[in-house]
Amino acid sequence: NAGVTQTPKFQVLKTGQSMTLQCAQDMNHEYMSWYRQDPGMGLRLIHYSVGAGITDQGEVPNGYNVSRSTTEDFPLRLLSAAPSQTSVYFCASNGGARNEQFFGPGTRLTVL
Amino acid sequence: GQQVMQIPQYQHVQEGEDFTTYCNSSTTLSNIQWYKQRPGGHPVFLIQLVKSGEVKKQKRLTFQFGEAKKNSSLHITATQTTDVGTYFCAATNTGNQFYFGTGTSLTVIP
Repeated sequence: NAGVTQTPKFQVLKTGQSMTLQCAQDMNHEYMSWYRQDPGMGLRLIHYSVGAGITDQGEVPNGYNVSRSTTEDFPLRLLSAAPSQTSVYFCASNGGARNEQFFGPGTRLTVL
Repeated sequence: GQQVMQIPQYQHVQEGEDFTTYCNSSTTLSNIQWYKQRPGGHPVFLIQLVKSGEVKKQKRLTFQFGEAKKNSSLHITATQTTDVGTYFCAATNTGNQFYFGTGTSLTVIP
């Protein structure tokens, strides 16, 4: 049981480049989400999904797209990277009796 | 979105001292969760509180949910160096959207 996996662990982009952050979970959780973490600001919700084919915006969705074609995968796409998107990105899934969120190890992204 | 305020932002304590972090919301919460994040790591679930006035304990950690379900606290008794990290509350009012507090970074001085 791998839990929640994220790739890559580190990424450096130039302004204007696009990329996809990968997230996968093997716990058969319906609910998945993407957060960004910046110093002093906690974790802010970018997008979330309540099941395959269903996504919605969180607090800070601008500049990001998501899709959920399968229960397992929830990729996050940066359409045209900006320095303001420099951050640590966490993917999470939750389920079970405690409604516990399981976080991936994170992707540290730098946009130059 | 849901606003969850968390204080203090930083706390330095001598090993053996107690530590408390607080979360406050202007609206009634459905439930509140607490997470711990070690330096360089990812958040790890500690507990979920659902009922008004609920108190739960995990060894040296005590979690409380306010009577009005608008605030919560995490108290650590006799801190140890293993308690170092950032503690976050995460609240929901409807559905599965979690809104995180800004976190309290705990440093324990040996």
